[in-house]
Amino acid sequence: AQSVTQLGSHVSVSEGALVLLRCNYSSSVPPYLFWYVQYPNQGLQLLLKYTTGATLVKGINGFEAEFKKSETSFHLTKPSAHMSDAAEYFCAVSGNSGNTPLVFGKGTRLSVIA
Amino acid sequence: SAVISQKPSRDICQRGTSLTIQCQVDSQVTMMFWYRQQPGQSLTLIATANQGSEATYESGFVIDKFPISRPNLTFSTLTVSNMSPEDSSIYLCSVRQDGELFFGEGSRLTVL
Repeated sequence: AQSVTQLGSHVSVSEGALVLLRCNYSSSVPPYLFWYVQYPNQGLQLLLKYTTGATLVKGINGFEAEFKKSETSFHLTKPSAHMSDAAEYFCAVSGNSGNTPLVFGKGTRLSVIA
Repeated sequence: SAVISQKPSRDICQRGTSLTIQCQVDSQVTMMFWYRQQPGQSLTLIATANQGSEATYESGFVIDKFPISRPNLTFSTLTVSNMSPEDSSIYLCSVRQDGELFFGEGSRLTVL
């Protein structure tokens, strides 16, 4: 079974500051890990995913995440926040099979202050 | 990438009625997943639908309330039965392809 814990339901950063959204997972098998973004009244968009290989994963819009097995973490970062990054971010985990569903965390709302 | 069409995109329903949501995928897939996103909440998996067998429901969801059909490898339906205001949510059909989860546009239900 898999589960995800996102630390902080709301994160606020200044424009130009580092964005760090935390995600810890639990999985009984090697995990696949995902970050999705949801803008108000819109659907979910995949930011990035880790399946196998390189543990530092780069995604769209300048985001990246690092898979750390020893810490069971998959934190999302962006060096410099932009106003357009304000959204809800969801971390998700699945088993390493293409036919298993994703389990989502509760989400973190990112606010960017001018 | 998979293209998923859901109908209806939104509906307003009366308490006690039932509504069926349809999901069509542009390619054959083994598993289809139904999620619910309540207002301001994350996505919760309702059930996994495998063609040719009964759907597998997650804890807290039962077949009598959310019956699912999966008649072939490209289509599925989810029915929300005997609706109450607490069922007001976005219901999402999804499939996995190349490791990624693809979503339909969702069906936004409001129960009065």
